[in-house]
Amino acid sequence: DTEVTQTPKHLVMGMTNKKSLKCEQHMGHRAMYWYKQKAKKPPELMFVYSYEKLSINESVPSRFSPECPNSSLLNLHLHALQPEDSALYLCASSQSPPGLYSNQPQHFGDGTRLSIL
Amino acid sequence: QKEVEQNSGPLSVPEGAIASLNCTYSDRVSQSFFWYRQYSGKSPELIMSIYSNGDKEDGRFTAQLNKASQYVSLLIRDSQPSDSATYLCAVNMANSGYSTLTFGKGTMLLVSP
Repeated sequence: DTEVTQTPKHLVMGMTNKKSLKCEQHMGHRAMYWYKQKAKKPPELMFVYSYEKLSINESVPSRFSPECPNSSLLNLHLHALQPEDSALYLCASSQSPPGLYSNQPQHFGDGTRLSIL
Repeated sequence: QKEVEQNSGPLSVPEGAIASLNCTYSDRVSQSFFWYRQYSGKSPELIMSIYSNGDKEDGRFTAQLNKASQYVSLLIRDSQPSDSATYLCAVNMANSGYSTLTFGKGTMLLVSP
């Protein structure tokens, strides 16, 4: 059982819809991450929150909007997505935020499989 | 371009054999190295972390790190069919004042009964 919980597990939406992905962790971790993973590719970092503040945005299009309401929760708001945004969206957390040269291990949730019609 | 290189495989080994998975990385100042296992359609699962040169053992898994050669490997002893998965090597790399995990493309391991 994963200690990072993501909902929903599957999501199908149209290009004009607005939806949100949710992630929750109760390990007291102070950094949370969103990744996107396409089939047979490695995860690609999208956003990093450190102590509930956005610290890294990897030039993600504005149709993806992250939010960190508190230290345990992370949301990803979706609006006007494109078919190429269909992917597995992974949330992860780590005990401390990324350092300059060293990182704590990241623990992944089960992911949300997103399909854009 | 900072990179993590892995042989995509598939690496095929018989049940009970030792599987050896290799990874090289380009950033010589990297200090944190991780191996994740990912079953098809599932999320990555952390199986090993290593920070110092040498070997680190956990059950059937041994991670080996050689920073001088910029090389990290994962050995799986007594391989089981349930070990069949894609193994992702992840290395933290510095980018303009912060560091992020860079993943290799993964090596697919197939363990035959």
